[in-house]
Amino acid sequence: AQSVTQLDSQVPVFEEAPVELRCNYSSSVSVYLFWYVQYPNQGLQLLLKYLSGSTLVESINGFEAEFNKSQTSFHLRKPSVHISDTAEYFCAVNRGTGFQKLVFGTGTRLLVSP
Amino acid sequence: GAGVSQTPSNKVTEKGKYVELRCDPISGHTALYWYRQSLGQGPEFLIYFQGTGAADDSGLPNDRFFAVRPEGSVSTLKIQRTERGDSAVYLCASSLQGLATDTQYFGPGTRLTVL
Repeated sequence: AQSVTQLDSQVPVFEEAPVELRCNYSSSVSVYLFWYVQYPNQGLQLLLKYLSGSTLVESINGFEAEFNKSQTSFHLRKPSVHISDTAEYFCAVNRGTGFQKLVFGTGTRLLVSP
Repeated sequence: GAGVSQTPSNKVTEKGKYVELRCDPISGHTALYWYRQSLGQGPEFLIYFQGTGAADDSGLPNDRFFAVRPEGSVSTLKIQRTERGDSAVYLCASSLQGLATDTQYFGPGTRLTVL
């Protein structure tokens, strides 16, 4: 069965510092990868996704993630975080064509302080 | 436009009771999903509908859990003889066509507490 590992349950950083949230998945022939964000008292929102093509994908609010097939990773990065980035971030994987369910990691809580 | 809505937002019930949780997907979305999120965990898949039919119910934990989508829009997740271990946030999501590449749009969830 597909699995997703987010090793860091919580990542505290100062505002304007860079951050990396790690995500590894169990290998499969082909996967689609997603990062979802959950702001306090809100539902899950898609941040970005990798389907195919360029291994670097970007979101509209400055986050980026790089698909690394050899390391089975899809780490999320941002060069300079804001207080408003404080949220829970979930990595998820879909096994590919013919499969619809998402398998989520346990989440990483990003805490940005001034 | 309107997103995925779920009612109620909170439900407190007693052990052994029956509960129904409702999901209203984004208009025009043919695919609907239910997930369950326990404290400190990521969402776990329960069931997926394509139209009116349950295309994948492999995540339902046991036969106390059942879900319907009779007209291909609103869905109801039904839990019989609730147990304390059923306490969790139940999330509903919908996507346009149910393709693996589709974005799943999530509702705010229903927090179920079984006393």
